[in-house]
Amino acid sequence: GIQVEQSPPDLILQEGANSTLRCNFSDSVNNLQWFHQNPWGQLINLFYIPSGTKQNGRLSATTVATERYSLLYISSSQTTDSGVYFCAVHTHPNAGNNRKLIWGLGTSLAVNP
Amino acid sequence: KAGVTQTPRYLIKTRGQQVTLSCSPISGHRSVSWYQQTPGQGLQFLFEYFSETQRNKGNFPGRFSGRQFSNSRSEMNVSTLELGDSALYLCASSFRGENNEQFFGPGTRLTVL
Repeated sequence: GIQVEQSPPDLILQEGANSTLRCNFSDSVNNLQWFHQNPWGQLINLFYIPSGTKQNGRLSATTVATERYSLLYISSSQTTDSGVYFCAVHTHPNAGNNRKLIWGLGTSLAVNP
Repeated sequence: KAGVTQTPRYLIKTRGQQVTLSCSPISGHRSVSWYQQTPGQGLQFLFEYFSETQRNKGNFPGRFSGRQFSNSRSEMNVSTLELGDSALYLCASSFRGENNEQFFGPGTRLTVL
């Protein structure tokens, strides 16, 4: 099955710094989502991005489907950005009954004041 | 539009008991998926329901079951609880499942003593 790898696994930043999180996937996928899980466990949708680039405030994401990776950029980080960032891919329709979200293990981000 | 709701938010049970968790999807969404999240295993897919039918199932024992009602609300049940069932249980709602964007509820944190 599809493997999703995220890097780095852990990241510590000073407030105001920029960072790039990476998500690699091992096969073609139908779509990709980035999530932020806050310290209370809530998964918050960041981007739904099969290809191209999207921006939302200080965050942006780029997916290059042909090269099987996606990047999440966080600029001018704030302490509220702390938490775990997950990448999840939607398997291709050819997967039949195995169509579902496949998750990476996440990047744990700590932003210090 | 209201988001995905899950009840209860916290639950403490003892080994051998059973538990029922509830999830109400976003209005108009017909697909509900359930995930188990533990520190060691990350997010694991349990099952997906669409129009009251289980459409997809993960690799969990038969003690884990679910159902979906005509209003798209879903319940999952875990019988004969084990210590290893302690986890955050997350429910995701989407319009049709499959390739559609998934939106998550706040989760139910289950502790088995």
